Amino acid sequence: AQTVTQSQPEMSVQEAETVTLSCTYDTSESDYYLFWYKQPPSRQMILVIRQEAYKQQNATENRFSVNFQKAAKSFSLKISDSQLGDAAMYFCAYRSAASNAGKSTFGDGTTLTVKP
Amino acid sequence: DTAVSQTPKYLVTQMGNDKSIKCEQNLGHDTMYWYKQDSKKFLKIMFSYNNKELIINETVPNRFSPKSPDKAHLNLHINSLELGDSAVYFCASSLIGGGPGEQYFGPGTRLTVT
Repeated sequence: AQTVTQSQPEMSVQEAETVTLSCTYDTSESDYYLFWYKQPPSRQMILVIRQEAYKQQNATENRFSVNFQKAAKSFSLKISDSQLGDAAMYFCAYRSAASNAGKSTFGDGTTLTVKP
Repeated sequence: DTAVSQTPKYLVTQMGNDKSIKCEQNLGHDTMYWYKQDSKKFLKIMFSYNNKELIINETVPNRFSPKSPDKAHLNLHINSLELGDSAVYFCASSLIGGGPGEQYFGPGTRLTVT
């Protein structure tokens, strides 16, 4: 079974600085998808960024980018120019491309605090 | 228009009662899910339905019974509520088949059992 590990329960960053959230996963599959979701205090879960395992290029969405290291099974999220609105809990998730059930395995989350 | 909606957003009830949470998605997705988020914010999948068919049924007490009348709806009925059922329950949907299948979440239902 796949597992997703987020080793940092809490992180903090100064406004306008850069922060990296870690995520590692365990799988024997070669084709899969990885996601980062954001859950602000409003509790609404929102997709931040996705990465297809077959793509070597790291995904980027504005200030959010990932460092995908397939061999190391690592998928970290970098937030540049941090803003107060980035304060939230961030979840890393894995989904097998072979699964027709769409089941995603989520990490335990990292709470990000942004200091003004 | 809300993509994934849940009702109610808050639910306070007493032990032993039966309650239902409704979920609807207007995204045309073929797969819907129920998740439970406990007080530590851990997110655990409970059920998954694909085209009204139960696909995933994790280790959940049989007091929890999902029902999918059609592809756009997935309801959760809970019998004989217990204190440990207090949590936030999220409905989600995704489109499976040839793509990443990222999930779109509802706003969550905070269930408090007293």
